Amino acid sequence: SYELTQPPSVSVSPGQTASITCSAGELGNKYACWYQQKPGQSPVLVIYQDTKRPSGIPERFSGSNSGNTATLTISGTQAMDEADYYCQAWDSSTVVFGGGTKLTVL
Amino acid sequence: QVQLQESGPGLVKPSETLSLTCTVSGYSISSGYYWAWIRQPPGKGLKWIGTIYRSGSTYYNPSLKRRVTISVDTSKNQFSLKLSSVTAADTAVYYCARNIITSGRYFDYWGPGTLVTVSS
Repeated sequence: SYELTQPPSVSVSPGQTASITCSAGELGNKYACWYQQKPGQSPVLVIYQDTKRPSGIPERFSGSNSGNTATLTISGTQAMDEADYYCQAWDSSTVVFGGGTKLTVL
Repeated sequence: QVQLQESGPGLVKPSETLSLTCTVSGYSISSGYYWAWIRQPPGKGLKWIGTIYRSGSTYYNPSLKRRVTISVDTSKNQFSLKLSSVTAADTAVYYCARNIITSGRYFDYWGPGTLVTVSS
């Protein structure tokens, strides 16, 4: 089965750039998306179709996808961005989520 | 604004069937789009359970397929989940969501989730 691999945790200082990766074979040939989930809340879509931001998502969130890796980048990270982030793709008619990355803003 | 709300028992006994309903407001299911169930065990990651279209066409996670049934009731603007033969491993927060299926697949609106505990 297809698996998406994310680092368990990433730390960043306020105002700096955070990058969260998601890896799988030929992921760049599929569309990836990203969700933000804060404690006790439902996931929120922050990036879809590799690079697109839904309405209401700040411009500091951006995405890319090439080769075997999709990347979520948060520029000028703020304390409010501290959350769990999940990548998601689909393969063979099955939706797959990554294991999640806890972003800590120190 | 599309809103989704899960409802159903919060406690289910082992070997029994878990049943949940998602009520959609702000959008008519009969107008289109796909609708999905996703779950998250406490402290763990997300897992897609399955997706249904207004016509009743379904797509299930292969790992759960033999135990899952998702159905839709367009007259009530609801869709439902049944998961049979549950065990403690099925304890999770269950979310319903709108599933966009175009280029790629993603979930743009989510319900608040409902915790279902499997215990005797």
